[in-house]
Amino acid sequence: QSVLSQPPSASGTPGQRVTISCSGSSSNIGNNYVYWYQHLPGTAPKLLVYRNNQRPSGVPDRFSGSKSGTSASLAISGLRSEDEADYYCATWDGSLSAWVFGGGTKLTVL
Amino acid sequence: EVQLVESGGGLVQPGRSLRLSCAASGFTFDDYAMHWVRQALGKGLEWVSGISWNSGNIAYADSVKGRFIISRDLAKNSLYLQMNSLRDEDTALYYCARDSWLDLGSGSFGMDVWGQGTTVTVSS
Repeated sequence: QSVLSQPPSASGTPGQRVTISCSGSSSNIGNNYVYWYQHLPGTAPKLLVYRNNQRPSGVPDRFSGSKSGTSASLAISGLRSEDEADYYCATWDGSLSAWVFGGGTKLTVL
Repeated sequence: EVQLVESGGGLVQPGRSLRLSCAASGFTFDDYAMHWVRQALGKGLEWVSGISWNSGNIAYADSVKGRFIISRDLAKNSLYLQMNSLRDEDTALYYCARDSWLDLGSGSFGMDVWGQGTTVTVSS
């Protein structure tokens, strides 16, 4: 059971906008930045969003992150087949003095 | 090319030890904090341990605290994970990851470089 809660699955059709949520508490999301990672089977995870809503160079602006209180969201617009992957939120937990990942959300592009 | 290459995985019996290595190249190793993150088969990503640029700040997940030791050798541009008292539940693919910041904690710009991972199987 992860400290951060994510829905186990999400889906959408090509071109749609989907949102993946991540819920935490004051010791983690509430007082720290949120990060999002994309993980395709057999490959290394990839940083998609850092510090709540910043995109690393090379990440399309179809991916956007937001945070409010103790929750965060990753939105993917203009859904494409290559977006089918597992998505994880992560943050620093000040009470645990540890990084924590959400349980992951498997995105299916129908 | 910025690269992280893990090694040292394998099959080990419960209760035994194993040492993972991560060789870094293409960037100034001293400038970044580093992490170990693992993924058991069919499970999600789990952060295992992290170490600041100068080894002054180290942290562990509760699941490995007291059994695993993270370290780095700046002269060899390498990160290590000494895993002791291994358990079945430590079976996983272990990734080495660079933190785009020099310390652990909330100032991070994210884990921006990852290796391909090394597999650890704990079984009798």
